This record gives sequence, structure tokens and C-alpha cells, in this order.
Amino acid sequence: GESVGLHLPTLSVQEGDNSIINCAYSNSASDYFIWYKQESGKGPQFIIDIRSNMDKRQGQRVTVLLNKTVKHLSLQIAATQPGDSAVYFCAENEDNNNDMRFGAGTRLTVKP
Amino acid sequence: NAGVMQNPRHLVRRRGQEARLRCSPMKGHSHVYWYRQLPEEGLKFMVYLQKENIIDESGMPKERFSAEFPKEGPSILRIQQVVRGDSAAYFCASSPITVNGNTIYFGEGSWLTVV
Repeated sequence: GESVGLHLPTLSVQEGDNSIINCAYSNSASDYFIWYKQESGKGPQFIIDIRSNMDKRQGQRVTVLLNKTVKHLSLQIAATQPGDSAVYFCAENEDNNNDMRFGAGTRLTVKP
Repeated sequence: NAGVMQNPRHLVRRRGQEARLRCSPMKGHSHVYWYRQLPEEGLKFMVYLQKENIIDESGMPKERFSAEFPKEGPSILRIQQVVRGDSAAYFCASSPITVNGNTIYFGEGSWLTVV
């Protein structure tokens, strides 16, 4: 079936390094994508989104890249900080669906 | 501007009891979504509601689960005769208009433990 998945379930980086979290999706009709950050015991927090008519979008310290050809999404975090430690989810939506579909998540651990 | 408010944050129920989870959307948001999250897993869509209407309940279990979003007051997710497998975090989200191409914002969740 169609799904949103992640290449790496865990990622450990040194403080100050850049992090890249990857996400693969299988629904070629998906046209809107969001990255969420979820800290332990809390709800998902919006980080950045991108629509299918774009291939790159930048925020504060974060960049999302979308490759529709291979149905791949990535989140880049510059100068990773301890506060970035969390589980990161990608989510996708198709225009005629009423829900966001979430992947299983990648746990990012930042080592001081 | 308050975010999405959920209560209770933690709820313990014995098998066979009922659980009621409440969600007040962000101010100005008329679309509510409920998701369930098992430990170490992603969020699974359950139901999408607008005021007084269930728009999409394709993710809701066929039995024991129901949801409402009345004209006045919060949205309620109700689980009757709870079983241990219902233990999970239940997240509510809201948006000003439909999720199609628009961001939804999540509450802090309600953690249900069935003993």
C-alpha cells in the first residue's frame, strides 16, 4: 500500500554538525509535505513545509529538499544543537485527502 | 493566542471503562483532526471533523470509538469499553481550513493507559 517511510530510524550527530534526515514516500499524487519535530511527551511541532511545485525551501537553520522524481524528501538542520534532539516525522498530503500521512519517524540525538 | 488544547493530558482507565478525550482547537480554527500514536511509531489518522459534521472517519475503528465536534464546546473522542490495546497517545490537531495543502497544528496529546 501507499506509505511514507524513512531511511534511517536513528541518527546521532555531534553538536555543531549539520544533520540530514531523509524520507521516502510512495504516493506520487502527494503534493504537500511537512516536517514535524516531536519531543518526548509532547505533540508534533511544525518545522517547515513544502509544496510539490518547489524543490527547496529554507527556514531558520532548516532546509527541506523535495525530489519528486525519486519521491524523496529531506530535512537539513544546520549547526545542530542539543535542543534539536527529538523524533522527526515527515508527513504528506494529497489534495483530495483529508489527512496527513506520517512516517515512522527518525530519532535525532545530538551529542555535546 | 492559545494553541490546540487537549485534556486530560494523562488518563488511566480499567478495562471495560469509558475514556473521553477533549480537544479545543486554536482560535479561529473550525477543522479538527484526531490521530493516534503508539510508542515509537508515527501518527495514524483517525477522524476529521468540522463543527457538527464528521467529514472523514476512515481511520476510526468500527466499534467502540466515536467522535463529535458540537456547535459549542470542544471536540470529544470517546472510547467505550476500553481494552489494553487502546493504550496510546491521542493527538488532536486543527486548521483554519481543510488540511489539503495547509498546515495543521497539534495539541500536546492525551496519554491513555488501560490497566
